[in-house]
Amino acid sequence: DAKTTQPTSMDCAEGRAANLPCNHSTISGNEYVYWYRQIHSQGPQYIIHGLKNNETNEMASLIITEDRKSSTLILPHATLRDTAVYYCIVRVAGYGGSQGNLIFGKGTKLSVKP
Amino acid sequence: DAGVTQSPTHLIKTRGQHVTLRCSPISGHKSVSWYQQVLGQGPQFIFQYYEKEERGRGNFPDRFSARQFPNYSSELNVNALLLGDSALYLCASSFPQGANEQYFGPGTRLTVT
Repeated sequence: DAKTTQPTSMDCAEGRAANLPCNHSTISGNEYVYWYRQIHSQGPQYIIHGLKNNETNEMASLIITEDRKSSTLILPHATLRDTAVYYCIVRVAGYGGSQGNLIFGKGTKLSVKP
Repeated sequence: DAGVTQSPTHLIKTRGQHVTLRCSPISGHKSVSWYQQVLGQGPQFIFQYYEKEERGRGNFPDRFSARQFPNYSSELNVNALLLGDSALYLCASSFPQGANEQYFGPGTRLTVT
């Protein structure tokens, strides 16, 4: 089972920031938080990951709370092309056994509206 | 740089047949993972290969098998196809260092009739 909880759906106005929350209250000290998104019928797209510190790249920002029990993915200026299902996943980085795979939950369906 | 590539894009098979799906990882990536995504659900882990050895296996029957070649490309084989095997099959590759984030290909859409 997925170790994260996300809202089923969210709406966002085009041009505004989209803030997608994720709860991972049972996260272990060596587990990373990864975010992916999937646009209809395409392969999941890697967005960003973090361990303890906040992270930013050209796509998004990831804010992780100090206790690491929750995080927020921020798309600073959402466009219609950001409409997708967003998945928050926690796992240990590594190979073998449970480390090797991503466990996808149901994710959050983000709809960006004009 | 080229991303993960998969072939074929779409495939239609009949129940009982066998299918082989192919995946080429991003250059420099040595690990390949396979996922199955049934319509309306998130991807589900099938296999992971690293340095040509199976490193992880999900809860799938023995009809599913895979292998990784010396050039790190991979094949997923499914025998005795069932209607329930109809799905999007995704391949992901990763670099063997750091946070080991996985990058996905576009997938192969398999329809079993």
